[in-house]
Amino acid sequence: DVKVTQSSRYLVKRTGEKVFLECVQDMDHENMFWYRQDPGLGLRLIYFSYDVKMKEKGDIPEGYSVSREKKERFSLILESASTNQTSMYLCASSSRDRDVTDTQYFGPGTRLTVL
Amino acid sequence: DQQVKQNSPSLSVQEGRISILNCDYTNSMFDYFLWYKKYPAEGPTFLISISSIKDKNEDGRFTVFLNKSAKHLSLHIVPSQPGDSAVYFCAASAPMSGGSNYKLTFGKGTLLTVNP
Repeated sequence: DVKVTQSSRYLVKRTGEKVFLECVQDMDHENMFWYRQDPGLGLRLIYFSYDVKMKEKGDIPEGYSVSREKKERFSLILESASTNQTSMYLCASSSRDRDVTDTQYFGPGTRLTVL
Repeated sequence: DQQVKQNSPSLSVQEGRISILNCDYTNSMFDYFLWYKKYPAEGPTFLISISSIKDKNEDGRFTVFLNKSAKHLSLHIVPSQPGDSAVYFCAASAPMSGGSNYKLTFGKGTLLTVNP
């Protein structure tokens, strides 16, 4: 069974703080993704990674960076948190090989509040 | 520009009846479509998918229909149950350059409420 875990379920930070969100998957997946979910806006892709030390910008990368030093771990970094980054953050992973059953598996999410 | 659209933010149905959730897309390169279900405070979970070479895929109470000419897909849930109440996201993928990796484009979601 695929398992994607995120370091925190709930997080409260102050404006200007540096924030680290950690994600770990146990299925040896090559691909990992960070999304944010906001009411009325759905799931928006922030960054993704297809391999260790590799990263690609998604649709809304501004204000974020990522790190992938190990295959199983993908970190999202808010260099200087702002109130408009208050959101639900979701990590996902998937296999590189695409077939009819390929899909992304999501973690439980981190609800981040920036005060 | 939104490439995957779910035009109904919410849908309410009675228990036992059919729920139909709709999704439209604009990118003709999309060749694989998925539906995810999300409960509050949880991550989305994969529900059902369909390849563009098919027009229907069924899994128990859930059926996805694909109309490629209309760039439209729908999820049917029969019969609907109160436990089906959740946000449903439609997603689509297209092969990226090199053909070996894919990312998903999500719609904004439809909140389904099944009333007892």
